[in-house]
Amino acid sequence: EDQVTQSPEALRLQEGESSSLNCSYTVSGLRGLFWYRQDPGKGPEFLFTLYSAGEEKEKERLKATLTKKESFLHITAPKPEDSATYLCAVLGGNTGKLIFGQGTTLQVKP
Amino acid sequence: NAGVTQTPKFRILKIGQSMTLQCTQDMNHNYMYWYRQDPGMGLKLIYYSVGAGITDKGEVPNGYNVSRSTTEDFPLRLELAAPSQTSVYFCASSRDGGNQPQHFGDGTRLSIL
Repeated sequence: EDQVTQSPEALRLQEGESSSLNCSYTVSGLRGLFWYRQDPGKGPEFLFTLYSAGEEKEKERLKATLTKKESFLHITAPKPEDSATYLCAVLGGNTGKLIFGQGTTLQVKP
Repeated sequence: NAGVTQTPKFRILKIGQSMTLQCTQDMNHNYMYWYRQDPGMGLKLIYYSVGAGITDKGEVPNGYNVSRSTTEDFPLRLELAAPSQTSVYFCASSRDGGNQPQHFGDGTRLSIL
């Protein structure tokens, strides 16, 4: 069964304190791994798609990496505006449907 | 550019009432989806559609119905609302069902009392 687990559930950082969020997955035939950002009261906003192990994508202070078992979302020198819930989802070859993790809620304090 | 628009944003229903959650997209996407999001849980797929006139069940379809008469609209119908259907509902669309990202609306927050 396709499964996605994100850790930690919640993360509090000081402004400028770099860290990483983890997304572990089991899926038959990975077709893509997606990262989304979700602000309170809003829908998920697309950040990155990763397709194969070793791939990396960057956007401002965020960098996503992928291995055969997990993905990391690295946040470098975060700012308070990076506070949000970050969702990871995998698209498996068998089902063709997105399976979401439960999310990591990031709070960055000034 | 509106993207995916959901109405209403909030609604309170009594047990046994029915309602329709509206979703429309202006990106000419073929695929549309309905998810529910409960606290501490990932988004769960309720129904999806690969094009006008074609719908299929997702992971948690019981208690819901959908229709897709146009490319733009994908309403979700709740019949005989139950407390277990209290949730936040998100509609999404994508160009195709492959590895194109899904684009989400801002959700409908539904409480059933």
